Amino acid sequence: DGGITQSPKYLFRKEGQNVTLSCEQNLNHDAMYWYRQDPGQGLRLIYYSQIVNDFQKGDIAEGYSVSREKKESFPLTVTSAQKNPTAFYLCASGTSETDTQYFGPGTRLTVL
Amino acid sequence: GQNIDQPTEMTATEGAIVQINCTYQTSGFNGLFWYQQHAGEAPTFLSYNVLDGLEEKGRFSSFLSRSKGYSYLLLKELQMKDSASYLCAALDSNYQLIWGAGTKLIIKP
Repeated sequence: DGGITQSPKYLFRKEGQNVTLSCEQNLNHDAMYWYRQDPGQGLRLIYYSQIVNDFQKGDIAEGYSVSREKKESFPLTVTSAQKNPTAFYLCASGTSETDTQYFGPGTRLTVL
Repeated sequence: GQNIDQPTEMTATEGAIVQINCTYQTSGFNGLFWYQQHAGEAPTFLSYNVLDGLEEKGRFSSFLSRSKGYSYLLLKELQMKDSASYLCAALDSNYQLIWGAGTKLIIKP
C-alpha cells in the first residue's frame, strides 16, 4: 500500500515536554513538508525538505525541529519553546514534476 | 504580502450546484490548487490549474483567470458527502503553497 503515514493520530503531552511526531512515506517522493492547522486559519508551513539531509524553515519554524536522514522519513519535534503547540499537524510529500502535495492523516497534539 | 481570500462558509442544497470563489495575491504564480478536507481529516487533492480556463473532472470543475487573480471550484449534483471544507492554495514564485483559510460547505437535504 503506497501512502503517507503519521503516528499517533492523537497525542497528549504536559507543558514543557518535547514531543516527536512521526511521518513516513513510501511514494518515493523527494519533497516532504510539515504544516500546522489551527481553526479558522489556512495551513501554515513549519519546515520542508526537498532532499535527504537538507531542510528549510517555513513561516513558523520557531519552537520546532526536524531531521531528514532517510528519504522516507521526516519526523517533527515540538519543543518546549513552542508557545502554543496545541494544533492539528499535517505532513505532506510531493514531487517536483507535479508540485502536488499529498497529505498524511494528521496528528492532533494537545498540550495540557 | 501574499494573500488568499475565500468565503468562510457556504450552504447549498443536495442535488444543486455551488461555486466557491478564491482570489489570490502572490509574489509570482505557478498554479492554483483546490483540496477537499472533511472534518478531522487530512486534505485530499482535487484539482490543479496553471493555465486560464475551465478544467472538468466529473462533478467537480475548477476555473482560473490569471489576469484577475481569481479561481473558482464548481460542484454539481451536490451530495451529502460533499459537506467539507474546500481549501484554495496558490503556488508562488518559490514553488511554496500559500493557503486560504478554507470554505466550509454545508449541504442540506
